[in-house]
Amino acid sequence: EAEVAQSPRYKITEKSQAVAFWCDPISGHATLYWYRQILGQGPELLVQFQDESVVDDSQLPKDRFSAERLKGVDSTLKIQPAELGDSAMYLCASSLGLAGVAGANVLTFGAGSRLTVL
Amino acid sequence: AQTVTQSQPEMSVQEAETVTLSCTYDTSESDYYLFWYKQPPSRQMILVIRQEAYKQQNATENRFSVNFQKAAKSFSLKISDSQLGDAAMYFCAYRSAAWGSNYKLTFGKGTLLTVNP
Repeated sequence: EAEVAQSPRYKITEKSQAVAFWCDPISGHATLYWYRQILGQGPELLVQFQDESVVDDSQLPKDRFSAERLKGVDSTLKIQPAELGDSAMYLCASSLGLAGVAGANVLTFGAGSRLTVL
Repeated sequence: AQTVTQSQPEMSVQEAETVTLSCTYDTSESDYYLFWYKQPPSRQMILVIRQEAYKQQNATENRFSVNFQKAAKSFSLKISDSQLGDAAMYFCAYRSAAWGSNYKLTFGKGTLLTVNP
């Protein structure tokens, strides 16, 4: 069964350091999402890509977070500098993403990258 | 903006019994999708069931079924014959179907379900 791959699974870093997460969506999925999930809460969208273009980054703290999906396939989410409040699970998800296509609105999630900032 | 509310932070059920998880949402749209996702401890989030708002019939998937009340903006999940493997955090989610929307999922805060043997 096709999966969304994420790495690293766990990352511990000190505040002010840089950290990066990688996501490889299911092959053929045009839409890619990065969500942040603080412990005990529901995921919140950080950024959404349609192919290589950003569709929604309204909740991305752009002073320290950046995301890219250069070739419209895999994606990288970067945080620089990391702050204590960034400790969370970072979830990547993908979907076919095309309106009117059956099943296109179903997101498949990766296992997530858990970040701890000390 | 759409909001999703799960009023039960935690629920528990005895194995083989039935449990219902509540979800309400707020939207001005008429066309949308609703989902229940399950997130087991330290494992990835998986889709349990989904409902298209234009369908009156409630969705079912084996032991999982929903009670979709569009006018009341309510979308509860019923788990029948609960099993130990059902223990997880359950998230209700909303997604617009409006043309031109970015189709992002808006999640509730989740309900932690414990299944007692």
